[in-house]
Amino acid sequence: QQQVKQSPQSLIVQKGGISIINCAYENTAFDYFPWYQQFPGKGPALLIAIRPDVSEKKEGRFTISFNKSAKQFSLHIMDSQPGDSATYFCAALNAGGTSYGKLTFGQGTILTVHP
Amino acid sequence: DAGITQSPRHKVTETGTPVTLRCHQTENHRYMYWYRQDPGHGLRLIHYSYGVKDTDKGEVSDGYSVSRSKTEDFLLTLESATSSQTSVYFCAISTLDWTSGRSLSSYNEQFFGPGTRLTVL
Repeated sequence: QQQVKQSPQSLIVQKGGISIINCAYENTAFDYFPWYQQFPGKGPALLIAIRPDVSEKKEGRFTISFNKSAKQFSLHIMDSQPGDSATYFCAALNAGGTSYGKLTFGQGTILTVHP
Repeated sequence: DAGITQSPRHKVTETGTPVTLRCHQTENHRYMYWYRQDPGHGLRLIHYSYGVKDTDKGEVSDGYSVSRSKTEDFLLTLESATSSQTSVYFCAISTLDWTSGRSLSSYNEQFFGPGTRLTVL
């Protein structure tokens, strides 16, 4: 079963606009929520991450908003640029127990930013 | 790319043939993972390793086996390839010590390799 659900599957925004990608999770044991960015032909790379003890984390134009009670988190890209065009994955993991760092990924969102 | 290479980068094979993909790291990290990426499914964990000769199954392990005889190499084998195994395969390493029960206090990054595109005809 898909423990992390991501939407939308694809997103088109104009340069300068705000891109918003949403994720919802089921496993309340998850305690680390990273976002990965992937360009064509490349492996995913960590973009930004959040732990559930904070409701928001911002790094430059990228912000994660986290709602623990709703079990949802989202990525906001402010002032979107054509260079942000990529596939974005949310993910989650349980740092405790015998997780060994295993990530559970969402389905991915293909973002296209038009100039 | 955190010293991760995958080989081959592209492979076309026929149904029923065995295939081995190799992941090599130069960083001496303990934890390594194999994922497959398919449209609409994101990345799904196939197998992972938490040390030399220590491996376990992930979410989609059927039809796959792995081996890790030394720290730097993690091999993924499709014993008898099927068309459903056509995918892009990514290897990843974790830079942290995932000791059981450890409470994390910082970012936990997985570094991914460049991927192998496998086509099974």
